[in-house]
Amino acid sequence: NAGVTQTPKFQVLKTGQSMTLQCAQDMNHEYMSWYRQDPGMGLRLIHYSVGAGITDQGEVPNGYNVSRSTTEDFPLRLLSAAPSQTSVYFCASSYTLQGVYEQYFGPGTRLTVT
Amino acid sequence: SQQGEEDPQALSIQEGENATMNCSYKTSINNLQWYRQNSGRGLVHLILIRSNEREKHSGRLRVTLDTSKKSSSLLITASRAADTASYFCATLYSGAGSYQLTFGKGTKLSVIP
Repeated sequence: NAGVTQTPKFQVLKTGQSMTLQCAQDMNHEYMSWYRQDPGMGLRLIHYSVGAGITDQGEVPNGYNVSRSTTEDFPLRLLSAAPSQTSVYFCASSYTLQGVYEQYFGPGTRLTVT
Repeated sequence: SQQGEEDPQALSIQEGENATMNCSYKTSINNLQWYRQNSGRGLVHLILIRSNEREKHSGRLRVTLDTSKKSSSLLITASRAADTASYFCATLYSGAGSYQLTFGKGTKLSVIP
């Protein structure tokens, strides 16, 4: 199993550009989520999904869109990049058996917005 | 706002010593999880404790949970240089159709050989 994969690993955008961060998992996990990690801030939840066709907002959803058309994929779209979105983005997935939600993380995407 | 808050923010110990990290949270939870992050990498799940459990062990890890104080601690015994990493607690809240795992800011552990 590849686990959770994220592409790209690094990305530089100019202010106002849009892009999609890709996330895929091959563990048939129902739950998927996106976090951003900023220095000294820990991880903050952006959006999450409990299954295909179902998404919900986390703590910091503004400026980001998600969709979940398949169990495997959960892309994160930046609509109009801003310097405040410079961060490291992590995708995670988990099974929901017995309400555990133990997260498996991808390697991260380091995004810089100039 | 973030649920968990770790203490201390940074911890430096000698190899072989024990390391204790604490986590406090604000609201009721379903479970509390601890993760490790090596520099530049994704997080790795270490151990989970449910809200109805008080203590759990896994290898050199011991985690406790006090729901009355809304706090947890992670003890790493006989530390090794390879334990150098950041450690995060995360609390799971599920209710009203919402399932959110909220992370604290982490404790940076340095184990000196």
